[in-house]
Amino acid sequence: ETGVTQSPTHLIKTRGQQVTLRCSSQSGHNTVSWYQQALGQGPQFIFQYYREEENGRGNFPPRFSGLQFPNYSSELNVNALELDDSALYLCASSTHTEAFFGQGTRLTVV
Amino acid sequence: AQSVTQLDSQVPVFEEAPVELRCNYSSSVSVYLFWYVQYPNQGLQLLLKYLSGSTLVKGINGFEAEFNKSQTSFHLRKPSVHISDTAEYFCAVTLVMNRDDKIIFGKGTRLHILP
Repeated sequence: ETGVTQSPTHLIKTRGQQVTLRCSSQSGHNTVSWYQQALGQGPQFIFQYYREEENGRGNFPPRFSGLQFPNYSSELNVNALELDDSALYLCASSTHTEAFFGQGTRLTVV
Repeated sequence: AQSVTQLDSQVPVFEEAPVELRCNYSSSVSVYLFWYVQYPNQGLQLLLKYLSGSTLVKGINGFEAEFNKSQTSFHLRKPSVHISDTAEYFCAVTLVMNRDDKIIFGKGTRLHILP
């Protein structure tokens, strides 16, 4: 039990649609990161939020955006979904010395 | 920028045999190092981490790893594997100096236990 919960666990969307994934982090962890894990690959860093501001971004287009809220919850939004966006999306709540991961949201784009 | 290389994408090993999963990192400054395990259809779970001190780090489920600064390696070992160790293993790194830096992952090594 990591104290990080993600919703929904599974999601099917159509190409071109928009999706919002949610994460509830551990209380007191000011940093939340989102990762995309394609099938058979390691997690790829999308972006990170620290105290509600974006604090770093990986090689992902602007249609991937996020929000972090004062209650330690956060969102990942993806616009104009593409087939290649199908993946497991992981949220990680972290201190500087450890990241605690949620179970992930499996997104399938058809 | 820091990076992580996991040299083997898959490692088959017989049950009760020893195993080593290799990890090399690249960074010009001090780093923290991690190994995470991912069981099928689950998120990532921390196995062990190196922050400072003894270079031999012991983790959960009988795993250990050794930090070798000169070889920039952090290989994961277990003396005797069990079928339940079947999973994907990820090596990861973050910078010591930057408190809010992201954790960067390798591409993973799939450990396949043979009966």
